[in-house]
Amino acid sequence: GAGVSQTPSNKVTEKGKYVELRCDPISGHTALYWYRQSLGQGPEFLIYFQGTGAADDSGLPNDRFFAVRPEGSVSTLKIQRTERGDSAVYLCASSLTPGETEQFFGPGTRLTVL
Amino acid sequence: DAKTTQPPSMDCAEGRAANLPCNHSTISGNEYVYWYRQIHSQGPQYIIHGLKNNETNEMASLIITEDRKSSTLILPHATLRDTAVYYCIRGYSTLTFGKGTMLLVSP
Repeated sequence: GAGVSQTPSNKVTEKGKYVELRCDPISGHTALYWYRQSLGQGPEFLIYFQGTGAADDSGLPNDRFFAVRPEGSVSTLKIQRTERGDSAVYLCASSLTPGETEQFFGPGTRLTVL
Repeated sequence: DAKTTQPPSMDCAEGRAANLPCNHSTISGNEYVYWYRQIHSQGPQYIIHGLKNNETNEMASLIITEDRKSSTLILPHATLRDTAVYYCIRGYSTLTFGKGTMLLVSP
């Protein structure tokens, strides 16, 4: 069956530009998570959705980062006024329910800000 | 703050058991212990999780001490494809990853 997919796989942008990263979770999974991973580090939690609402956005680094999940399936992570420090792999994961269930990760989107 | 402590790297010979330790001395009563691994350039992959009891699945075994302050992930017969970074995580819904243990399985 289909796993978590993320598009694009690679995104190169210039400092100051706006980017959108898309995540398609596994069908039927109610929980969706965004993480980012810098080189040599473990993934860092950004935000998680239960259905359409953001249940925990405590990991978003600042107000340039925003995520939506309007219909409770696909999610978009939006980054405004990108900075070079935003360069990382952005990972999306989904799980059947929040809490004590495994999270299935997508392959990630590698964002490079020049 | 990853809230767990793992050795940065370990080596294992192919076919041998790999025993990966993790310290989570400040774990709270409702937090699970999760293990994920990440093969180079891929997203993390779930391995196993537990609360109090030892657990086993087709991939690995998880041994949790009675006081829940530490655990060990056991890969019973390591293969070259098990070379990856292994993350021990305590939590419930959101996962806080540390730097993990880089396990290198050699022929």
